Amino acid sequence: DVKVTQSSRYLVKRTGEKVFLECVQDMDHENMFWYRQDPGLGLRLIYFSYDVKMKEKGDIPEGYSVSREKKERFSLILESASTNQTSMYLCASNVRDKAFFGQGTRLTVV
Amino acid sequence: EDQVTQSPEALRLQEGESSSLNCSYTVSGLRGLFWYRQDPGKGPEFLFTLYSAGEEKEKERLKATLTKKESFLHITAPKPEDSATYLCAVRSLSGNTPLVFGKGTRLSVIA
Repeated sequence: DVKVTQSSRYLVKRTGEKVFLECVQDMDHENMFWYRQDPGLGLRLIYFSYDVKMKEKGDIPEGYSVSREKKERFSLILESASTNQTSMYLCASNVRDKAFFGQGTRLTVV
Repeated sequence: EDQVTQSPEALRLQEGESSSLNCSYTVSGLRGLFWYRQDPGKGPEFLFTLYSAGEEKEKERLKATLTKKESFLHITAPKPEDSATYLCAVRSLSGNTPLVFGKGTRLSVIA
């Protein structure tokens, strides 16, 4: 089975901190994605990547950046965390038309 | 712009009471329509992919169907363990585009 692993299940950070969310997939997928999920708003795409060192903005990239130095790893960076970035963050990778998600990181910014 | 609308937002069923969830979509050429199940505090889990109108897929008590404008997820004789949020997503034929998700239907099955 494909495995997408996110580095933390729960994270609490202070306003203004730089935050790194890590995601690793073990199936050599080229495509990787970062979503955030909020009640009433559903899943919203932040950034995605179709290849190493390549990135594309999604629907809500403001306040975020990403890094993909290796094919299996896709990192989401909050340059200066703010309270409105408190959310569930979900990483996914896909092969052909089937996307696999990690377990999610519940980030709270205080 | 690709869009996905799911209804109802929430559905409460008695155990054994069959029903359907709706996913309406607009997309510039459908590459695939996807159904996911999500349990609280977890990532979505893949259920089905449908590619063309008339196609049907089944898994245990779930059956997904597809028309040119919408998809239905039929739940037959549900059990409490079917309680979850069900997400629908589409992917268009336009280039290498990511999935566009609906907001989901939160299903509760009461024993």
